[in-house]
Amino acid sequence: EIVLTQSPATLSLSPGERATLSCRASQSVNNFLAWYQQKPGQAPRLLIYDVSSRATGIPARFSGSGSGTDFTLTISSLEPEDFAIYYCQQRSNWPRFTFGPGTKVEIK
Amino acid sequence: EVELVQSGAEVKKPGESLKISCQGSGYSFVSFWIGWVRQMPGKGLEWMGLIHPGDSDTRYSPSFQGQVIISADKSISTVYLHWNSLRASDTATYYCAKILYYMDVWGKGTTVTVS
Repeated sequence: EIVLTQSPATLSLSPGERATLSCRASQSVNNFLAWYQQKPGQAPRLLIYDVSSRATGIPARFSGSGSGTDFTLTISSLEPEDFAIYYCQQRSNWPRFTFGPGTKVEIK
Repeated sequence: EVELVQSGAEVKKPGESLKISCQGSGYSFVSFWIGWVRQMPGKGLEWMGLIHPGDSDTRYSPSFQGQVIISADKSISTVYLHWNSLRASDTATYYCAKILYYMDVWGKGTTVTVS
């Protein structure tokens, strides 16, 4: 099973600051990696797929990068609505999807 | 508009059975896999399994194999998640999601409380 770890667990930042979230896989995921955003009381929402492609309607301030086992989600300038929990997810060994434990981006 | 509508919240007792549903609309329901994801209170996302409504091909996460049953009725564009005997540890919110390589459209979730 491919295990995903995310760091940091919590990121405390102010609006306007840059957020950098990390996701590391226990083995290569062949760039089949996505990022989801979840706000309290809401379902997750797909942000980024295949490492760096933005899903429909996702603002350009969200970007993804990385390859192999190390990936990054960057939010270039945090808006108030961006404070949420972010999960990475791999589909490399479909159908055995796995999610990372999440990074909470909170207001400092 | 592509939409997944999930059934309402449930409160059950340990040992009872339960089936929750997820109905798709706005797209070719039989053409895309639907996955189920568990989120226990205050915890992260766990992939449970998925089903192809077109032929009911079903795959389970090893963690959930034998614990739940995923089924589909393509005539009414609905997939189900079923428990034969609930436990307190099944208390969680359950999400269904349409899979276009990744989970691109999600239902709002069904909260199940077992107590």
